[in-house]
Amino acid sequence: AQSVTQPDIHITVSEGASLELRCNYSYGATPYLFWYVQSPGQGLQLLLKYFSGDTLVQGIKGFEAEFKRSQSSFNLRKPSVHWSDAAEYFCAVDPVNNDMRFGAGTRLTVKP
Amino acid sequence: EAQVTQNPRYLITVTGKKLTVTCSQNMNHEYMSWYRQDPGLGLRQIYYSMNVEVTDKGDVPEGYKVSRKEKRNFPLILESPSPNQTSLYFCASSPQRRRRGDTQYFGPGTRLTVL
Repeated sequence: AQSVTQPDIHITVSEGASLELRCNYSYGATPYLFWYVQSPGQGLQLLLKYFSGDTLVQGIKGFEAEFKRSQSSFNLRKPSVHWSDAAEYFCAVDPVNNDMRFGAGTRLTVKP
Repeated sequence: EAQVTQNPRYLITVTGKKLTVTCSQNMNHEYMSWYRQDPGLGLRQIYYSMNVEVTDKGDVPEGYKVSRKEKRNFPLILESPSPNQTSLYFCASSPQRRRRGDTQYFGPGTRLTVL
């Protein structure tokens, strides 16, 4: 079945530590891929997106994501997390013949 | 400032009392949509509109209505709300639809509680 999976519901990291949020998708053709962030009380903001080409994508706020076709993954990373990064993060896919699908989200807590 | 606005931001109501959540965008976008966000389920699309007077069902349309009489507005109507419609609702817009990869711009959300 076609799906977007974010295996981690909740992640806690210390401020200054590195971060990796996982996203796996299951679609026949490589969809367009997105990461959105939702800060408390806010709407979703686009962090980055991947369509084709270089598999390492740079986004806003110091985030990057790497597309790995062999693993059907699009993991989000940040080298050093700041307290302001505490939020919920959504992976989304825009497949060829369907509307955009969102993962269930990963909530990030940042410890001082 | 380019934005999507929703009103109200918070609403508590009772079962069966009709309500409307408004959504407006000032970016001249053709495509607009409504999502609901529930814990563990992410965002699920309720309805979408490709342009004025063109609307269609998303994944979870039951219990909702929409209209698109003007390009900028896309209200969500709950004719007879029920407790299972308690959720966080987001309106979104993008320049065009079925141009894959268009960024969707989201409103701030409306938290609805139906007692």
